[in-house]
Amino acid sequence: AQRVTQPEKLLSVFKGAPVELKCNYSYSGSPELFWYVQYSRQRLQLLLRHISRESIKGFTADLNKGETSFHLKKPFAQEEDSAMYYCALSRLNTDKLIFGTGTRLQVFP
Amino acid sequence: GAGVSQTPSNKVTEKGKYVELRCDPISGHTALYWYRQSLGQGPEFLIYFQGTGAADDSGLPNDRFFAVRPEGSVSTLKIQRTERGDSAVYLCASAQGAGNTGELFFGEGSRLTVL
Repeated sequence: AQRVTQPEKLLSVFKGAPVELKCNYSYSGSPELFWYVQYSRQRLQLLLRHISRESIKGFTADLNKGETSFHLKKPFAQEEDSAMYYCALSRLNTDKLIFGTGTRLQVFP
Repeated sequence: GAGVSQTPSNKVTEKGKYVELRCDPISGHTALYWYRQSLGQGPEFLIYFQGTGAADDSGLPNDRFFAVRPEGSVSTLKIQRTERGDSAVYLCASAQGAGNTGELFFGEGSRLTVL
């Protein structure tokens, strides 16, 4: 079965500190991995996808198939990064997403 | 409209009642998804439409839940004989097609409270 695990419910850091939000997945095939973000009082929206190998708002995520992980990283956190972050997985050629339980990132000034 | 629109934004009902939740996707988006998000959880897949047909309804928890999309645009999620455990935020999302972009555009959700 497909599953996405985000072990941390809450991650608190100070501005300027590095951030790593953990995501592990289980899937027998070749998954597509994504990070979605929900800022306060806003809709859930796509942050980045592994296939694009992009950096969005300073965030990057590398798919590690050996460790079945897709951790989200940013070298220097900003207060505006405070939000709820969800890791998600889809099967090849579908848009059906399986979400993790989410990690709340709090960045203190 | 510019984004996915969901109505009502809030619905309070009594146990045993019937509820309809509506989703108006982004114009031109052929794929439409319903998710349910309970407190402290991530969005949980319910059903996916490609055009008018339900391509995958494997997430519907039981036969009290049903969704339609008769003209391939607006969709309605219907819940019969509501139970307290149905209380959650119901999210609708649309996507351009049956591709693999992974980009779903979400609405603000309909918060359902069953008393």
